[in-house]
Amino acid sequence: EAQVTQNPRYLITVTGKKLTVTCSQNMNHEYMSWYRQDPGLGLRQIYYSMNVEVTDKGDVPEGYKVSRKEKRNFPLILESPSPNQTSLYFCASARDKAYEQYFGPGTRLTVT
Amino acid sequence: GENVEQHPSTLSVQEGDSAVIKCTYSDSASNYFPWYKQELGKRPQLIIDIRSNVGEKKDQRIAVTLNKTAKHFSLHITETQPEDSAVYFCAASRAGGGADGLTFGKGTHLIIQP
Repeated sequence: EAQVTQNPRYLITVTGKKLTVTCSQNMNHEYMSWYRQDPGLGLRQIYYSMNVEVTDKGDVPEGYKVSRKEKRNFPLILESPSPNQTSLYFCASARDKAYEQYFGPGTRLTVT
Repeated sequence: GENVEQHPSTLSVQEGDSAVIKCTYSDSASNYFPWYKQELGKRPQLIIDIRSNVGEKKDQRIAVTLNKTAKHFSLHITETQPEDSAVYFCAASRAGGGADGLTFGKGTHLIIQP
């Protein structure tokens, strides 16, 4: 089954404790992206990747890191999480940024 | 970078009536315009998209229109049903090269009144 998976689905952590949210797709897509969703602000792009070892900043990259060492995986890293990073995070993949994006199930992160 | 404005933020219509959601974009080089539907607690899913070489596209009760000159595009839903209640997002992107990814509007909460 074609899908995008994210782990964990829910995470409560404390300020400053490094964390990683994993994202994996099995559709051989070149394009992958991370978004955060906050009430009233819609979906804002954090980082995206056009291919292996190619990543670019989106609209709200501060406080986040990504890597794309393999085509199928695109982890999101928060080196020192802060409460303003409490949000719902979605990973997505697509053939290209101008094709249908397939979203993962979302990760709800709370930073206290 | 691209900026996408979406209106209204909330839209309430009677079941069976039509709903229209409008978006404007700023980058004249954008050429791909998708619409996503997000039901409560679920992930966004593509419902229809349009490319800049087309002015209108229909899929059953859903249609999208694009006006490149005015840089705006709209989602039209006819004969609305309770299952149409959701948040709808428009987006804009450039195919091929370019530094930007996909930029979303802030969303429209569509409420279908019985």
